[in-house]
Amino acid sequence: GQNIDQPTEMTATEGAIVQINCTYQTSGFNGLFWYQQHAGEAPTFLSYNVLDGLEEKGRFSSFLSRSKGYSYLLLKELQMKDSASYLCAVYDSNYQLIWGAGTKLIIKP
Amino acid sequence: TAGITQAPTSQILAAGRSMTLRCTQDMRHNAMYWYRQDLGLGLRLIHYSNTAGTTGKGEVPDGYSVSRANTDDFPLTLASAVPSQTSVYFCASSDSAGGLEDTQYFGPGTRLTVL
Repeated sequence: GQNIDQPTEMTATEGAIVQINCTYQTSGFNGLFWYQQHAGEAPTFLSYNVLDGLEEKGRFSSFLSRSKGYSYLLLKELQMKDSASYLCAVYDSNYQLIWGAGTKLIIKP
Repeated sequence: TAGITQAPTSQILAAGRSMTLRCTQDMRHNAMYWYRQDLGLGLRLIHYSNTAGTTGKGEVPDGYSVSRANTDDFPLTLASAVPSQTSVYFCASSDSAGGLEDTQYFGPGTRLTVL
């Protein structure tokens, strides 16, 4: 079966750095997405990786290793507004988007 | 631009009643999707449409139906609601052109409670 694993919850301190991991087992791979979802709101697009390596976007970076079925989202200089759930999703060989259950990130002052 | 709108924002529905959740997008995206999101579970695909006039079943289609008469609208109908359909429903759309263009954009969601 197809599966995406993420930690359920993580806690970090304002101003610090946090890494949210995602491992996947899917039938084929056509790209990996990270979304941010604040409580009670819709998911919003953060990043897209299709080739191995690091993609940087301001305070957020996303890394992909296709051979290891592994990605991480790195958030730097954490702010209270970064408190949210972070969803990892993978397009499989049929372009079906498979979603992880999300990682709830709690930021403490 | 509005992006994707959904209506209603929330609804309480008696079991056995029917209901249609509305979704409209103004981005001229080819593909549209309906998901449900339940606590502790990932987004689960109910139905999708790759282009106007076509629809397909997702992971959890039972009890739901959709239609795609035009590019902009993708309503989801519950014919006879049951309590297990209590959930938050998200509509999404994408250009379905491959790669980054397959990024899905979400509406604000409909919170449905079936009693």
